[in-house]
Amino acid sequence: AQSVAQPEDQVNVAEGNPLTVKCTYSVSGNPYLFWYVQYPNRGLQFLLKYITGDNLVKGSYGFEAEFNKSQTSFHLKKPSALVSDSALYFCAVRSWGTYKYIFGTGTRLKVLA
Amino acid sequence: GAVVSQHPSWVICKSGTSVKIECRSLDFQATTMFWYRQFPKQSLMLMATSNEGSKATYEQGVEKDKFLINHASLTLSTLTVTSAHPEDSSFYICSAGGLFGPGTRLTVL
Repeated sequence: AQSVAQPEDQVNVAEGNPLTVKCTYSVSGNPYLFWYVQYPNRGLQFLLKYITGDNLVKGSYGFEAEFNKSQTSFHLKKPSALVSDSALYFCAVRSWGTYKYIFGTGTRLKVLA
Repeated sequence: GAVVSQHPSWVICKSGTSVKIECRSLDFQATTMFWYRQFPKQSLMLMATSNEGSKATYEQGVEKDKFLINHASLTLSTLTVTSAHPEDSSFYICSAGGLFGPGTRLTVL
């Protein structure tokens, strides 16, 4: 069975500092990994995905994520956090051949001015 | 471009009534659509897989008689919450082709 874990319910970071939101996964076969962001009472916004290729994936709004197969991790990072980055972040996994997503529990990011 | 839309974006209803939420794929066809539910400050839980022209596949613990899904065309799936109660209040999101709709906020009084 596929699963995604986001070990941190909340991450606090000062504006201008680098941020990391952690995600680990468990899948059979090659994973398709995704990061989404959600603002209050809004739908999901796609940030980035890993399908194959370079382990470092660059996405929207300056975010990037590193796929680490040996550690089964896909942590989201940004070199310099903005207050406007404060939101709920979801890691998700999808199997090849399907559009069914399994989501992590979400991590609330709070960037402090 | 390809987009997934939902209607309505929010709905308030009285306890005991039924509510229908529509999910449409725009500029593409989807034989399969997915319905997710999100409780406040919680993750998205997959409720069911909607299959065009056949019965939906429900996840464990989801009442199929409570949450009726119809996928009558390649661009439309509907979720009907029957005899809604306050505990059904939630944010419902549909997905198709790897895209997500904007969500529907249901509040049952």
